[in-house]
Amino acid sequence: SQELEQSPQSLIVQEGKNLTINCTSSKTLYGLYWYKQKYGEGLIFLMMLQKGGEEKSHEKITAKLDEKKQQSSLHITASQPSHAGIYLCGAAREGAQKLVFGQGTRLTINP
Amino acid sequence: DGGITQSPKYLFRKEGQNVTLSCEQNLNHDAMYWYRQDPGQGLRLIYYSQIVNDFQKGDIAEGYSVSREKKESFPLTVTSAQKNPTAFYLCASGVSQPQHFGDGTRLSIL
Repeated sequence: SQELEQSPQSLIVQEGKNLTINCTSSKTLYGLYWYKQKYGEGLIFLMMLQKGGEEKSHEKITAKLDEKKQQSSLHITASQPSHAGIYLCGAAREGAQKLVFGQGTRLTINP
Repeated sequence: DGGITQSPKYLFRKEGQNVTLSCEQNLNHDAMYWYRQDPGQGLRLIYYSQIVNDFQKGDIAEGYSVSREKKESFPLTVTSAQKNPTAFYLCASGVSQPQHFGDGTRLSIL
C-alpha cells in the first residue's frame, strides 16, 4: 500500500459545487504540501501545512492538517472550470529534505 | 522572471542510448530534485541534491545518474541500464523542500 493515500482518485463535480480531497499518511506527518498539476505540465505549489490544526486558504481553496489522524483535507468552495486538474499531496518526513507524494486526485469540473 | 527551465520538452531515446535532461533554475535555491511520473501515479524521487557537488539517491535511482557542478544546474542522465524509461520527468527546486517545479520533459522510446 502507498505511504500516502489520496481519496478519491478521481472526482467529477458540477461547476459551483463544493468538494473535498483527502490525503492520509501511514506515518507521522512533519509537514504537508499541496500541489496542483495540469495535464502534461509541472506542479504548482498551493500551500504548506506544518502544525496540527493548521488551516490555510488560497482564493477558494482551503487546506487543513489533522496531525492526530495523520491526515490533510483540501476543500474547494464554489468550484470553477479553472480548478480542474490533478491535485497532489506531498508529506515531509522527520529529518528528510524530500517529500513523499500521493498518487494524485484528478478533478473534473462540468459546466 | 525567476523559475525553473527544463529542456527539451519532448525527447526520444533509441535502444542502448544515454540521454540527458536539462534543468536550470535562477531562484538561488540550494536544493534540487528529479522526479519521475507515470500515468495514474504520483511522483517518485530519482535523485536530489542539497548542495553543489553533492547528491543523494532517491527511491528509484537505478539506471539514472546526475551531477551538480553549479548551483543553478542539475542535469539528469537516463542511461541504457534504465529498461523502462518512458515517463514524464519533473525537476524541482526549493530552500529545503521541492516547491518550484519545471514544466517537465516527456521521454519516449523509439
